[in-house]
Amino acid sequence: QVQLQQSGPGLVKPSQTLSLTCAISGDSVSSNSAAWNWIRQSPSRGLEWLGRTYYRSKWYNEYAVSVKSRITINPDTSKNQFSLQLNSVTPEDTALYYCARDLYDNMSPYFDHWGQGTLVTVSS
Amino acid sequence: SYELTQPPSVSVSPGQTASFTCSGDKLGDRYACWYQQKPGQSPVLVIYQDTKRPSGIPERFSGSNSGNTATLTISGTQAMDEADYYCQAWDSSTAVFGGGTKLTVL
Repeated sequence: QVQLQQSGPGLVKPSQTLSLTCAISGDSVSSNSAAWNWIRQSPSRGLEWLGRTYYRSKWYNEYAVSVKSRITINPDTSKNQFSLQLNSVTPEDTALYYCARDLYDNMSPYFDHWGQGTLVTVSS
Repeated sequence: SYELTQPPSVSVSPGQTASFTCSGDKLGDRYACWYQQKPGQSPVLVIYQDTKRPSGIPERFSGSNSGNTATLTISGTQAMDEADYYCQAWDSSTAVFGGGTKLTVL
């Protein structure tokens, strides 16, 4: 049974860095058939995919254009987890952040497991 | 950028059929997924690759995708199905979500 457990602060000051971690159980961050995503949700932007990391003989990262200059997603194989860093945050980055696994089976990936969500507020 | 459009709300009586549409340019050339989200909960996958149901999802959930429109159908809608429903597809290596449709079971 795959489980994703999120952790990280719920309050970040403007211009600082938002950091969240997603611990994986029941699968491996190095899986050749999964990718590890961050998705956020806010009333103004709905569900917004931020990016993902995955391993296919080497590590790959893909990021949404909207945050590409500010985002880093890193795998941590020693702890079987992955992290999100979003730099230079503004109040517009206030949202409920989810980690999620997407599973690829030679057709099209789909998000089959989600973390519990972390509400992050950007405020001084 | 690629966009998916969903109507904001759908209302049905218990036992009736609820249909949700998701529109996007040549969406039928891509695979569509659907997620159910109840208040205070994380989204749950209910349909993937247009028509497939994950294990544990009731048979009353079904999907189709053709032309510019993907459709999620709930047959014999139950009160427990009241939730927000989101469609999702991939545009190159970017996941795109629709704005969501709120289902009210009257």
